[in-house]
Amino acid sequence: GAVVSQHPSWVICKSGTSVKIECRSLDFQATTMFWYRQFPKQSLMLMATSNEGSKATYEQGVEKDKFLINHASLTLSTLTVTSAHPEDSSFYICSARAGRGARETQYFGPGTRLLVL
Amino acid sequence: RKEVEQDPGPFNVPEGATVAFNCTYSNSASQSFFWYRQDCRKEPKLLMSVYSSGNEDGRFTAQLNRASQYISLLIRDSKLSDSATYLCVVNPPGGADGLTFGKGTHLIIQP
Repeated sequence: GAVVSQHPSWVICKSGTSVKIECRSLDFQATTMFWYRQFPKQSLMLMATSNEGSKATYEQGVEKDKFLINHASLTLSTLTVTSAHPEDSSFYICSARAGRGARETQYFGPGTRLLVL
Repeated sequence: RKEVEQDPGPFNVPEGATVAFNCTYSNSASQSFFWYRQDCRKEPKLLMSVYSSGNEDGRFTAQLNRASQYISLLIRDSKLSDSATYLCVVNPPGGADGLTFGKGTHLIIQP
């Protein structure tokens, strides 16, 4: 299956720090990537849709100035958590769309665990 | 009403048994459906897509009932390694959006 990588795999930082997470599709081009967040014992929640060459689309309740997304190439999307606070501590997972039509699905990166102290 | 609903379990099942879980979705215009598996503290991994005609992959069988808006997953001859959380996932209409996840059903296979 398609491979998606994320870096870093975990981050511990002080409150007020900005954290950048990279998501790469390794063996295919992805015009669309997605960023999700998962709190303990909760389901994955879509944060935003990242489109190559255009602005990201954010879900309701997700602050675009807080979570900056850049999709500069067909294989890389970045999520920057600006001025992170303890409530931003979570498991952040990206995915990249692959396939077409009814066969279309998403492949997930291994996730990034963020702990803000 | 939640968009994708699943029984959270846990389902405790002896090794070798057959286990089935269902999921219901609210948006009748949803386009495609999947089962993902998520192990503890790991990312979700695609288990199988769910097609209207039903489909099988080894010990796993998935079925879709559009009229009743539910999706099922059947696991035969369960293995210890099947222990995980199984996520029912729906692709909303339009195709441009991210997937909608259920909260998952926790399965524990006991020796």
